[in-house]
Amino acid sequence: GAVVSQHPSRVICKSGTSVKIECRSLDFQATTMFWYRQFPKQSLMLMATSNEGSKATYEQGVEKDKFLINHASLTLSTLTVTSAHPEDSSFYICSARVGGASDTQYFGPGTRLTVL
Amino acid sequence: QQQVKQSPQSLIVQKGGISIINCAYENTAFDYFPWYQQFPGKGPALLIAIRPDVSEKKEGRFTISFNKSAKQFSLHIMDSQPGDSATYFCAASAGAGKSTFGDGTTLTVKP
Repeated sequence: GAVVSQHPSRVICKSGTSVKIECRSLDFQATTMFWYRQFPKQSLMLMATSNEGSKATYEQGVEKDKFLINHASLTLSTLTVTSAHPEDSSFYICSARVGGASDTQYFGPGTRLTVL
Repeated sequence: QQQVKQSPQSLIVQKGGISIINCAYENTAFDYFPWYQQFPGKGPALLIAIRPDVSEKKEGRFTISFNKSAKQFSLHIMDSQPGDSATYFCAASAGAGKSTFGDGTTLTVKP
């Protein structure tokens, strides 16, 4: 089956620093990748949709200058949390969608971000 | 406005029993309905999915029932096992658009 990886799996950083999270589709090309944020015992909150080679589309209320998304290739998307603050602490999950008519999304294992 | 409503919020089932989770949607343009299983600290994993041209899809112990007229779909887990204890999310999407997720159901299967 389709595999999506995320790196790192967990990161602890100091307030004010920037953190980059990588999302890779390992065995397929993903024309579209999604970034989600999940709080404990809550559903997935879509942050942005990224298409290879174009600017990401951010959901309402998500600061695009704070959460920088780059979809440099068909197998790699990155999320950079800039000037992180404790309220940015969360579980960040990416997903990748196989190209063509398929609607199937494959999720990464998630990244636990803790900002001190 | 929540477009996909999921119930119940939590569910406790005895081992060997049937777990049933329901979802209702509003947008008639939705044409893809997946269910995801998520264990603590892990990303969601696709469990089973259905399109509106069929009323039921079965994969092993997991079955999706779909009622287009009622705009409802449900997940049935037969012979539930303690290893099935997880959070389950339904979702819906239209074409190649983004997915809308339900709030999730925490399933506990007691041995």
